[in-house]
Amino acid sequence: EAQVTQNPRYLITVTGKKLTVTCSQNMNHEYMSWYRQDPGLGLRQIYYSMNVEVTDKGDVPEGYKVSRKEKRNFPLILESPSPNQTSLYFCASSLMGGGGYTFGSGTRLTVV
Amino acid sequence: SQKIEQNSEALNIQEGKTATLTCNYTNYSPAYLQWYRQDPGRGPVFLLLIRENEKEKRKERLKVTFDTTLKQSLFHITASQPADSATYLCAKSPENNAGNMLTFGGGTRLMVKP
Repeated sequence: EAQVTQNPRYLITVTGKKLTVTCSQNMNHEYMSWYRQDPGLGLRQIYYSMNVEVTDKGDVPEGYKVSRKEKRNFPLILESPSPNQTSLYFCASSLMGGGGYTFGSGTRLTVV
Repeated sequence: SQKIEQNSEALNIQEGKTATLTCNYTNYSPAYLQWYRQDPGRGPVFLLLIRENEKEKRKERLKVTFDTTLKQSLFHITASQPADSATYLCAKSPENNAGNMLTFGGGTRLMVKP
């Protein structure tokens, strides 16, 4: 089944403890993105990648890192999480950058 | 900067009627407009994409129109069903390779009553 898999689905962590949210797609898509979704603010792009080793910042990149060493994987790294990073996170991939994205099921992160 | 706006108020309609959702954008016309469905706590699901040189696109009970003069896209669900109840997101991109410029609207919640 074609899909984007994120892990974990739920995560509660403490301020400052580094964490990684994994994202993997099995559709051989070149484009991948990370979004966060907050009430009243909608979906906002954190980082995106156009291909292996090609990444760039989205609208809200502060406090996040990404890497794209393989085409299928695009992990999101929070080096020192803070409470304002409490959010619902989505990874997405697409064959073309302009649209038609397949989203993962989401990761609900709580930083206390 | 480009903005994309959707009616933040929920749309309530009766089963069997046609639901029409609106998406408005500012400034230049995007190359692509697309619509997604999102259920609570789940990831958006891609429904339809329409290009700026297309007036209309259909898929089963769904229809999307793109009016570059009005700077607006309309999303229609005909013969609506309670299972269509969800939040519908509009998104735009200026060109095919602009992965960093895919912008989402805030979404409109649709409630279809039996």
